[in-house]
Amino acid sequence: QQPVQSPQAVILREGEDAVINCSSSKALYSVHWYRQKHGEAPVFLMILLKGGEQKGHEKISASFNEKKQQSSLYLTASQLSYSGTYFCGTEISGNTGKLIFGQGTTLQVKP
Amino acid sequence: DSGVTQTPKHLITATGQRVTLRCSPRSGDLSVYWYQQSLDQGLQFLIQYYNGEERAKGNILERFSAQQFPDLHSELNLSSLELGDSALYFCASSVGGHTGVGELFFGEGSRLTVL
Repeated sequence: QQPVQSPQAVILREGEDAVINCSSSKALYSVHWYRQKHGEAPVFLMILLKGGEQKGHEKISASFNEKKQQSSLYLTASQLSYSGTYFCGTEISGNTGKLIFGQGTTLQVKP
Repeated sequence: DSGVTQTPKHLITATGQRVTLRCSPRSGDLSVYWYQQSLDQGLQFLIQYYNGEERAKGNILERFSAQQFPDLHSELNLSSLELGDSALYFCASSVGGHTGVGELFFGEGSRLTVL
């Protein structure tokens, strides 16, 4: 079951904040976040395991609400380098070996 | 550089043909994943191998097959190609051997164009 991301696209000015959401209809074991710049391969940002933990990566952090099967990615004081497509990936179990990605959220940061 | 090598980088072929995409994982990684990315699609999970064994299957067509060899490199075989198979095919690797998928390291992809 593919997770649903929102919004589909975001346009920001440098220094502005953004939130990208990822939701699933199934109970989740983990949520993964990746960023893909145009013409490049996806790059790992972070993994959140069930338990409601929050993680950070520079000015990018994320939360995982296990009860709601939702995760949010927070981009603070966005930089031009943050532009790209953000994908959340979800696992429903730690034993399946399947990481299913959402359709992606395109983020464009303008000067 | 993720350490994952995919060949060829670009491939143009005709409908009905068969192609093989190759992936060499990062040194020490035992798991290999294949994903398909079309122009307007996200990353579609195809299949996963761990240490030579198929571990998980996603939306992989019957015309597609894959394997992981004893040296841990993997090949994705696409046959009876159709126009809709045109896409970027990514291979990713991870350490594997523990609970959960873990951090994936993606190769640069193989862009397949079917004419």
